[in-house]
Amino acid sequence: DSGVTQTPKHLITATGQRVTLRCSPRSGDLSVYWYQQSLDQGLQFLIQYYNGEERAKGNILERFSAQQFPDLHSELNLSSLELGDSALYFCASSVRVAWGDTQYFGPGTRLTVL
Amino acid sequence: AQSVTQLDSHVSVSEGTPVLLRCNYSSSYSPSLFWYVQHPNKGLQLLLKYTSAATLVKGINGFEAEFKKSETSFHLTKPSAHMSDAAEYFCVVSVGAGNNRKLIWGLGTSLAVNP
Repeated sequence: DSGVTQTPKHLITATGQRVTLRCSPRSGDLSVYWYQQSLDQGLQFLIQYYNGEERAKGNILERFSAQQFPDLHSELNLSSLELGDSALYFCASSVRVAWGDTQYFGPGTRLTVL
Repeated sequence: AQSVTQLDSHVSVSEGTPVLLRCNYSSSYSPSLFWYVQHPNKGLQLLLKYTSAATLVKGINGFEAEFKKSETSFHLTKPSAHMSDAAEYFCVVSVGAGNNRKLIWGLGTSLAVNP
């Protein structure tokens, strides 16, 4: 068990809807990362937060947004959902902000957009 | 223990010459391996990935990498460097699955391309 938790495990919704994915990092970790993994794709980095502040952005669509709260948990908001947004969404955490840190992954949220 | 070592922190090449960015890994499991690129003031972008299929992996922008299990290497190459290739490159290994999954990052190689 990595210590990173994500809820919900599964989410089924319709096109045009909005969903929120939640992540709680390992105790003591200040950095949270969000990744998207579609079928047969590697991990696509979306966004990183460190101690409540956005630190790096990847291929995150404008329809997506995230935040990290004072208790360090993070939420990823996906709006105006499209069929192509169906994917596994992973959260990871690390102690620091450096890319050289090991990132520990949560189990993921499987999003299905119908 | 798992680890990733990028053998060069800085690489400088001339435009039009080959690029070689070296990465060695250590893993007790069958790993998945990735190369990411980060251009100045931009986010990370996946270049390519190896997930136990073909050992020679082709990625975007003309990059490719070869998984060599006997050498525990996953070096990134490009036949001819372009000015736009100047960036930071990260080799990453993914081990485990589910709640035991970890993503282990190399420290990065800064690629400079000279005209």
